[in-house]
Amino acid sequence: DAKTTQPNSMESNEEEPVHLPCNHSTISGTDYIHWYRQLPSQGPEYVIHGLTSNVNNRMASLAIAEDRKSSTLILHRATLRDAAVYYCILRVLPYNNNDMRFGAGTRLTVKP
Amino acid sequence: DVKVTQSSRYLVKRTGEKVFLECVQDMDHENMFWYRQDPGLGLRLIYFSYDVKMKEKGDIPEGYSVSREKKERFSLILESASTNQTSMYLCASSLTSRAYNEQFFGPGTRLTVL
Repeated sequence: DAKTTQPNSMESNEEEPVHLPCNHSTISGTDYIHWYRQLPSQGPEYVIHGLTSNVNNRMASLAIAEDRKSSTLILHRATLRDAAVYYCILRVLPYNNNDMRFGAGTRLTVKP
Repeated sequence: DVKVTQSSRYLVKRTGEKVFLECVQDMDHENMFWYRQDPGLGLRLIYFSYDVKMKEKGDIPEGYSVSREKKERFSLILESASTNQTSMYLCASSLTSRAYNEQFFGPGTRLTVL
């Protein structure tokens, strides 16, 4: 099974950029990289996903290493509302709904 | 916006009771899921469904059953609740199984079994 490794926790200051790393050294060519986050007392919410190229959306950017063995979720200006647990997940073939594996994630603390 | 709603935010039941957790999604999604979340164990998939009346076991189906009679509704059933089923239960849905489709989660039901 392809697995991901993330730091347990990170801290950021409000209005500064945040780079959340994820290692996935055993990734295969068909594995998609997904990021979700879970705010306190809420269910997880989708943030972004990518396969090979860097991706941007209104919430964040995803930078994928050229060898795809790591990726970084970038929050361009952290707000207090971004304090959450961030999960890096690989979607693997056959994408059969049983392939999403939420690990422990990274707990992001944002300081005012 | 996709909305996934769960019938209760908090539920307290007694050991041996039959418990129903209801989940409804309003975006005509094919797939629906039930997870439980426990400290130190993360989210674990209990069951999922890819169509009406279809279901598949996840990683921890023991002690649970599910029902999907209508496309928008997916129920999780604890036939005889036990204390080790005290947990946060999360329902999710996705349009299809394709790897680029995200899952949308409900707010969760915190179940306590006494």
